[in-house]
Amino acid sequence: QVQLQESGPGLVKPSETLSLTCTVSGGSISSFYWSWIRQPAGKGLEWIGPIYISGSANYNPSLKSRVTMSVDTSKNQFSLKLTSVTAADTAVYYCARELNHDSRGRYFDYWGQGTLVTVSS
Amino acid sequence: DIQMTQSPSSLSASVGDRVTITCRASQSITYYLNWYQHKPGKAPKLLIYAASSLQSGVPSRFSGSGSGTDFTLTITSLQPEDFATYYCQQSYSAPRTFGQGTKVEIK
Repeated sequence: QVQLQESGPGLVKPSETLSLTCTVSGGSISSFYWSWIRQPAGKGLEWIGPIYISGSANYNPSLKSRVTMSVDTSKNQFSLKLTSVTAADTAVYYCARELNHDSRGRYFDYWGQGTLVTVSS
Repeated sequence: DIQMTQSPSSLSASVGDRVTITCRASQSITYYLNWYQHKPGKAPKLLIYAASSLQSGVPSRFSGSGSGTDFTLTITSLQPEDFATYYCQQSYSAPRTFGQGTKVEIK
């Protein structure tokens, strides 16, 4: 059974960089797209973007200028960096696997439990 | 971006009830529509993909239908463990977008 676990600081100061890591267990990180999704309190889910094992990524245009993702296949991990954070970036951050099911489209079949990141001084 | 609109935003129902949640896309997404169940503090769970395909391990009381812009998630006989928030999500194009959620509460 594939499991994902987010880790990283729960508190980040405004204007600093938010850094999170997702560790994948129970399966290889190879051959899939790995995504970050966030949910501010009381709001809906916002897709941040996926990264493939090749390192190619596709960021949400609304965050593109501040986001960097990376993947470490040796550790079965992928990471998110979000720069110049503000209070609006306070959210629960989820990592997820996006499966490409050919003609059936893509979907997030495994998710982490999420980690709350608060932006505050 | 494709906007996804769910209705209702919340509903109250009893165990055994039939529940229907609607999701509308701002443009045609053919059948690239997924449904998730989310309980507080837990990982969201995939229920339905490609509008009507039941994810492995998901009870058959869950079903999905629709194509184009209008989609429906139906729970035929609501169980105590089904009280949660449900989200639709389009995978037709990037950025992926979600509906705002439908919270199913105990009546």
